[in-house]
Amino acid sequence: QSALTQPASVSGSPGQSITISCTGTSSDVGTYKSVSWYQQHPGKAPKLMIYDVDKWPSGVSSRFSASKSGNTASLTISGLRTEDEAVYYCSSQARRSTLVFGGGTQVTVL
Amino acid sequence: EVQLVESGGGFVQDGESLRLSCAASQFVFNTYAMSWVRQAPGKGLEWVSTVSGRGDGTYYPDSVKGRFTISRDNFKNTVYLQMNNLRAEDTALYYCAKAFDDSGYTYERGFDFWGQGTMVTVSS
Repeated sequence: QSALTQPASVSGSPGQSITISCTGTSSDVGTYKSVSWYQQHPGKAPKLMIYDVDKWPSGVSSRFSASKSGNTASLTISGLRTEDEAVYYCSSQARRSTLVFGGGTQVTVL
Repeated sequence: EVQLVESGGGFVQDGESLRLSCAASQFVFNTYAMSWVRQAPGKGLEWVSTVSGRGDGTYYPDSVKGRFTISRDNFKNTVYLQMNNLRAEDTALYYCAKAFDDSGYTYERGFDFWGQGTMVTVSS
C-alpha cells in the first residue's frame, strides 16, 4: 500500500494552466476508475474536487479538469487564480478494498 | 448543511489507547460509509479506516490493522475509532469523512464532507 507519487510542487502565473500528475501502479490507478482529487488550504479540511477520474462534484469550478492514462492520473487547473494556491492530493482505490493517497503537490501562484 | 464533529483526541503515551468519536448530522447517516483519514503534522493524507453504512463491513490499511477498530451507532449518528497500542507514528490530526457514494458500501469514489479533525499525540 505505497503512496501514489505526485510532484512536490508546481507553480504558474495567474491565467495560466498547470497540470499535476499522480503516478501509481497496476494495483491502484491503473486498474480502478475511483480516482479522486482534493484541494487543501492551510489549516482547513480537504475539499473534494474530482471523483471517478474526471467528474465534478456539485459546486466545483470547471476550471479543474482531470484524466487518466495507464497508471498515471492528472489534474489540470486552467485560468489559474490566487485562490487556487493550495496543496492538492490524489487518491485511488487499490487492491483488497483499500484506498491510497498521493503525497500531495503544493501549487503556487506566482 | 452536513456536519461532522470529531472529538476524543489527546496526548497519550506509547502503547496506550484512545477512542475517537464523530457526530454526524444533516444527512441520512446509515446510507453512507464513513471513514477516518489522518494527517501527520506537515505531512500528507493517509486513509485509516472505513465502516459501511450498516456497520457490517470494515476496512483498514496494513499500518493500523489489528490495532484500530472502526464502528458506528446508527441510532446516535456517530462513528467511532478505537485505537489501541498507539505508537509515535500515529501522531496526527484525525479527520472523519463521509463517502460521496450513497450505496452504503462504496467509499473509494471520494469523500465529499470532512470534519475539522481531532488531534492525537503519542509520546514515546
